Amino acid sequence: EAQVTQNPRYLITVTGKKLTVTCSQNMNHEYMSWYRQDPGLGLRQIYYSMNVEVTDKGDVPEGYKVSRKEKRNFPLILESPSPNQTSLYFCASSIQTNTEAFFGQGTRLTVV
Amino acid sequence: RKEVEQDPGPFNVPEGATVAFNCTYSNSASQSFFWYRQDCRKEPKLLMSVYSSGNEDGRFTAQLNRASQYISLLIRDSKLSDSATYLCVVNPRYNFNKFYFGSGTKLNVKP
Repeated sequence: EAQVTQNPRYLITVTGKKLTVTCSQNMNHEYMSWYRQDPGLGLRQIYYSMNVEVTDKGDVPEGYKVSRKEKRNFPLILESPSPNQTSLYFCASSIQTNTEAFFGQGTRLTVV
Repeated sequence: RKEVEQDPGPFNVPEGATVAFNCTYSNSASQSFFWYRQDCRKEPKLLMSVYSSGNEDGRFTAQLNRASQYISLLIRDSKLSDSATYLCVVNPRYNFNKFYFGSGTKLNVKP
């Protein structure tokens, strides 16, 4: 089954404790991206990747890092999480940028 | 100014009604347009792409008006299962790798 898998689905953590949210897709897509969704603000793009070892900032990259060492995986790293990073996070992948994006089920992160 | 703006709603309509949403975008050089559907607390899923000539898929019709910089979604014969939040998405020509999402329009279809 074609899918994008994120883990964990839910996470509560403390300020400053490094964490990684994993994202994996099995569709051989080149383009992957991370979004955060906050009430009234919609989805905002954090980082995107056009292929292995090619990543770039989206609109809200501060406080986040990503890597793309393999085509299927695109982890999101929070080196020192802060409460303003409490949000719902989605990973997405697509064949190209202007084609259908497939989203993971989301990760609800709470930083206390 | 936001790149993409939508009326948050909610739009409360009875079953069988026709309902339309608009979405405005600020960058006239925008390239690609989409409507996504998002059920509560779940991931967005593509409803339809929006082409310059417009497109129709069953009860759903999407239109693009470049002159006025908006896209629209028309839902005919609304079903209870159409209740969801509808997200407008724009891909700018100046950067094919970026996507801008509207904050969504909530639709409630009632029996």
